[in-house]
This record gives sequence, C-alpha cells and structure tokens, in this order.
Amino acid sequence: EAEVAQSPRYKITEKSQAVAFWCDPISGHATLYWYRQILGQGPELLVQFQDESVVDDSQLPKDRFSAERLKGVDSTLKIQPAELGDSAMYLCASSFLFGSGSQYFGPGTRLTVL
Amino acid sequence: SQQGEEDPQALSIQEGENATMNCSYKTSINNLQWYRQNSGRGLVHLILIRSNEREKHSGRLRVTLDTSKKSSSLLITASRAADTASYFCATDSGTSYGKLTFGQGTILTVHP
Repeated sequence: EAEVAQSPRYKITEKSQAVAFWCDPISGHATLYWYRQILGQGPELLVQFQDESVVDDSQLPKDRFSAERLKGVDSTLKIQPAELGDSAMYLCASSFLFGSGSQYFGPGTRLTVL
Repeated sequence: SQQGEEDPQALSIQEGENATMNCSYKTSINNLQWYRQNSGRGLVHLILIRSNEREKHSGRLRVTLDTSKKSSSLLITASRAADTASYFCATDSGTSYGKLTFGQGTILTVHP
C-alpha cells in the first residue's frame, strides 16, 4: 500500500540552528499539507500546496518558516532559526482530491529544540 | 486555531465494551472526518461523513452527524486493545481548498 514518506523521523537541534524536513507524498496526489502538532493537541495546518503552488500559508510563521514543492512532487519545510517553542511533531499529508476528501498522513518528524 | 472540541478528553474501558466519543464544532461544514493516531505516529483516516448525511458505518465504527447541533459522535463497538489510540475529529468548512481543522482529540485506552 502506498504511503507518505517523511524524513528524518527524529531531529534534535539547538535554538538558532536551521532544520529541514522532507516529505514525499503518495504518487498521483497533487495536494500536499504540512501540519504542526504540539503534544496533547490536534494538528494545525501550516501550509497547503496544490501541485507546486501554495494555496494556504496563513498559519505559517513566515519570518522563520519556509516551504517549497518545486516540481510539484516532494516538499521541504525549513525552520531558520529554530526556537524552543518549535518543538513539536511535524506531519505531512497528501490527498488525491483537491478541495475535499480524506488525507493520508506520513509518520511525522519529532523535533526537539534545546 | 482548533474548531472542534472533543469530549471526553480521555476514556478508559475494558475490551469488548463500546466506546463513544463526541465532537462539537462552530462553523458550517462540507464534511467531517475522524482520524486515529497511535502514540507518536501519524494519523490514519477512519471515516468521512458529508454534511447531507446523518449516519455512516464502517466495520465496527459508526459515525453520526447532527448539523443543527453542530456535533458528531464516533462509536467503536466491541473494542479491542489494539483500538488504544487518540481519536480526532476534523472539519472541512468547504471554503478553503479542503483545509481541515482538527479538534483536541480523545485519548482512548482499552484494557485487555
């Protein structure tokens, strides 16, 4: 069964350092999402792509976070500089249908900022 | 921002019992979805119910939706220890490209 791939699974970094997360969605899924999940809470959308275009980045802290999906397939989320409050699980998801339908999640990257 | 509120926050039952989780939301929706998350892992889609549907079944899962009360419930029948996980409802308001807004989740523990 096709899955969403994410790497790394775990990342420990010191504050002010740069970190990057990678996501490869299910083949054929044009819509890709990045979520942040703080421990004990539900995921919160950071950015949504349709192919290579950003369709929603209203909750992305643009002073330190950036995301790209250059060829409309895999995607990278970057944080520079990392802050203590960025410690969380970063989840990537993809969906086949644009605008509605279920989303398929990757295993996530657990980020710890020291 | 979290639209949904889930109740209870935690639920502990014995294997074989039924588990019911509730979700309330604030704005009108296109559909409502339920997801499961095992500890430290990604989310798994369980079921989607559209705004014009009132009830939906999938295996041991039964979901109801009451749009007049802006609420939904997830029933897991004959629970198993493997059902131990966090369960989240997520709403699609239909206005923002399929964006999902998740609730805080219910932690379900099923004791063998």
